[in-house]
Amino acid sequence: GAGVSQTPSNKVTEKGKYVELRCDPISGHTALYWYRQSLGQGPEFLIYFQGTGAADDSGLPNDRFFAVRPEGSVSTLKIQRTERGDSAVYLCASSLLSVGDTQYFGPGTRLTVL
Amino acid sequence: QKEVEQNSGPLSVPEGAIASLNCTYSDRGSQSFFWYRQYSGKSPELIMFIYSNGDKEDGRFTAQLNKASQYVSLLIRDSQPSDSATYLCAVKGDNFGNEKLTFGTGTRLTIIP
Repeated sequence: GAGVSQTPSNKVTEKGKYVELRCDPISGHTALYWYRQSLGQGPEFLIYFQGTGAADDSGLPNDRFFAVRPEGSVSTLKIQRTERGDSAVYLCASSLLSVGDTQYFGPGTRLTVL
Repeated sequence: QKEVEQNSGPLSVPEGAIASLNCTYSDRGSQSFFWYRQYSGKSPELIMFIYSNGDKEDGRFTAQLNKASQYVSLLIRDSQPSDSATYLCAVKGDNFGNEKLTFGTGTRLTIIP
């Protein structure tokens, strides 16, 4: 079946602008995760949804970052007043959230803040 | 101390040899351990997961876990040029509800033909 999809694949914006990044998880996966990966680093956890609610948002770096998943499927990561330090690849993953489940990653959105 | 540590490499291995990738973690309560492969410009792809002490084999790949030493490794037998990638070690927390993965920085592996 189809994997995790993310749009856009690339986003270039100017400092101070607002951006939205979209994730469409694997059908039937109840858990959805957002990670951020900077060059030369491993993915860094941002937030995790179980259904519609954010079960753990401890990784969001500050209040400029917000994510929603209103119907328990597609999720949107929203970044306000972007800064150059926000430039990274934003990865979305989904899982079935059963004991021993694994997370499957989408292709990512490369965000560049000029 | 980083929560998950890997040697960043690069690690160069001749084609056909065994590549050995290592990872240590700091949270003794961690229960689940994952190896992801990431090609340049691509997203992480799951290779193997392991939960119990000992070895787990899947084709040319063997994951090894030693919880007492807080150490997990990945062996790749009969290395192929297509194995050249960055290998990410990831650890999941110790209780249900703590679902986030904590990643190491990755080890860059190059298989030399």
